[in-house]
Amino acid sequence: EAQVTQNPRYLITVTGKKLTVTCSQNMNHEYMSWYRQDPGLGLRQIYYSMNVEVTDKGDVPEGYKVSRKEKRNFPLILESPSPNQTSLYFCASSLSSSWDTEAFFGQGTRLTVV
Amino acid sequence: DQQVKQNSPSLSVQEGRISILNCDYTNSMFDYFLWYKKYPAEGPTFLISISSIKDKNEDGRFTVFLNKSAKHLSLHIVPSQPGDSAVYFCAASASGSARQLTFGSGTQLTVLP
Repeated sequence: EAQVTQNPRYLITVTGKKLTVTCSQNMNHEYMSWYRQDPGLGLRQIYYSMNVEVTDKGDVPEGYKVSRKEKRNFPLILESPSPNQTSLYFCASSLSSSWDTEAFFGQGTRLTVV
Repeated sequence: DQQVKQNSPSLSVQEGRISILNCDYTNSMFDYFLWYKKYPAEGPTFLISISSIKDKNEDGRFTVFLNKSAKHLSLHIVPSQPGDSAVYFCAASASGSARQLTFGSGTQLTVLP
């Protein structure tokens, strides 16, 4: 089954404790991205990757890091989480970055930073 | 500054009637528009899209209309069903942009039985 898998689904952590949210896709997609969803703001792009070892900032990259060492994986790293990073996070993948390509989303990771 | 706006946070419609969800955009470079549907505890799923060379695209009960001069698009669901109750996100993209999708804030549609 074609899917984008995120882990964990739920996470509560304390300020400053490094964490990683994993994302994996089994569709051999080139393009992957991370979004955060906040009330009244919709989904905002954090980082994206056009292919292995190619990553770039989205609209809200501050406080986040990513890596793309393999095509299927695109982890999101919070080196020193802060309460304003409490949010619902979605990983997405698509065949390419072409403007008419459908994006497939993971089920989301609800992160709470206390 | 939000480039894609959904000004109605919520909408309630009776089963069998038409649901109309609206979306406005400000960036004239956007030339491809999509609607995503999201159920609780799930990721968004693609629903329907439209290119700027068209003004209408239909897929079963779902139709998207695009008014480029007004920078406005709408999603019509006819007839509405209780299973359509979800959050609907409008998204836009500009050809040549690697940053893909810009989303609106979403509209919670509730279809009442």
